[in-house]
Amino acid sequence: KAGVTQTPRYLIKTRGQQVTLSCSPISGHRSVSWYQQTPGQGLQFLFEYFSETQRNKGNFPGRFSGRQFSNSRSEMNVSTLELGDSALYLCASSQETVTEAFFGQGTRLTVV
Amino acid sequence: KNEVEQSPQNLTAQEGEFITINCSYSVGISALHWLQQHPGGGIVSLFMLSSGKKKHGRLIATINIQEKHSSLHITASHPRDSAVYICAVRSYTGNQFYFGTGTSLTVIP
Repeated sequence: KAGVTQTPRYLIKTRGQQVTLSCSPISGHRSVSWYQQTPGQGLQFLFEYFSETQRNKGNFPGRFSGRQFSNSRSEMNVSTLELGDSALYLCASSQETVTEAFFGQGTRLTVV
Repeated sequence: KNEVEQSPQNLTAQEGEFITINCSYSVGISALHWLQQHPGGGIVSLFMLSSGKKKHGRLIATINIQEKHSSLHITASHPRDSAVYICAVRSYTGNQFYFGTGTSLTVIP
């Protein structure tokens, strides 16, 4: 059974650009959640999608957005990138919101 | 205020030692995860707990729901156990994770 796949694994962008990250959950999983990990703040919740609907959102500015497709794949978009957006972005998938979550390897974004 | 507190922040042990990492949380939860992250690597979920105790090889995780506390034990520690261990709780009401700041474990041969 394939795990959670995040693409790309590494990304370098310039300030002001936008970026789209992708997360393919484990087959059959309908919940996908996104997290940001920085050395200063640790892991922080961004948002969760379930059956194409955003169910919960963390405390991040509107530059951070996401969506989920009918096949449960999810994308996260960050517009007008800032240096502070440099981080490891992780997604996790689960069958339902109360079942075990499985994490992807993450996308390491560097903003220069 | 952090919803999840972990201790210790850093831990150095000799190979073979018994290790305990503690996690306390303040929110109502549906589940607690122990996660492992190797340097430069992604995150692996070691355990998901909602009650009692789970064992997987040399790893044991316990949770006390009434006291809002969980522990991760590593028996006969090995250098390959060197990693950051993160406690994460899934909130009962918000369907989101709250994370501890992690415990950086180094096991010396």
